[in-house]
Amino acid sequence: GDSVTQMEGPVTLSEEAFLTINCTYTATGYPSLFWYVQYPGEGLQLLLKATKADDKGSNKGFEATYRKETTSFHLEKGSVQVSDSAVYFCASSRTARQLTFGSGTQLTVLP
Amino acid sequence: NAGVMQNPRHLVRRRGQEARLRCSPMKGHSHVYWYRQLPEEGLKFMVYLQKENIIDESGMPKERFSAEFPKEGPSILRIQQVVRGDSAAYFCASSPGAGLSTEAFFGQGTRLTVV
Repeated sequence: GDSVTQMEGPVTLSEEAFLTINCTYTATGYPSLFWYVQYPGEGLQLLLKATKADDKGSNKGFEATYRKETTSFHLEKGSVQVSDSAVYFCASSRTARQLTFGSGTQLTVLP
Repeated sequence: NAGVMQNPRHLVRRRGQEARLRCSPMKGHSHVYWYRQLPEEGLKFMVYLQKENIIDESGMPKERFSAEFPKEGPSILRIQQVVRGDSAAYFCASSPGAGLSTEAFFGQGTRLTVV
């Protein structure tokens, strides 16, 4: 079955540091790929998505590129802020009905 | 427009009791999804419902778990005779449609603890 593997946390960075959270997927065919973010005490929010190979999703300074050859969708941000502290989930979907999630990566950004 | 509302936020049940988790989708959304997050794991799909219909329950345990989304009122995830292994966070999401380009909006989750 489909699966998503993402970098284990927790990750702790200083403000303005560069962020990478790795994500790889296994799936039959070409799924859509997503990054969700969960701030403390809140539900998951869609951060960005890409629906086909070589697409780049971007939002709020975060970026991720759909790499078919390496089956990856790594999340990057050039300069993190304290307000980016949250749990980040990578997910894939081949159907509109269900998402397959990674286990989540806790990010803490220190001032 | 209020987001997806789940209640209760926290629920404690003794082994053998029943747990009822409620989810009110966003206004105008007729598609509801339930996910479960066990400790240290990612969210796992459980069931997908439209009004009065279960469309896909491939992720639901075969026994003790059931879900409904009636014509009126919230979607309900029901767990009978709870066991310690049911302790988890249960998330509901809703969407206006089911296309891949359609975003699903998530609630804050219900954290179930079985003692």
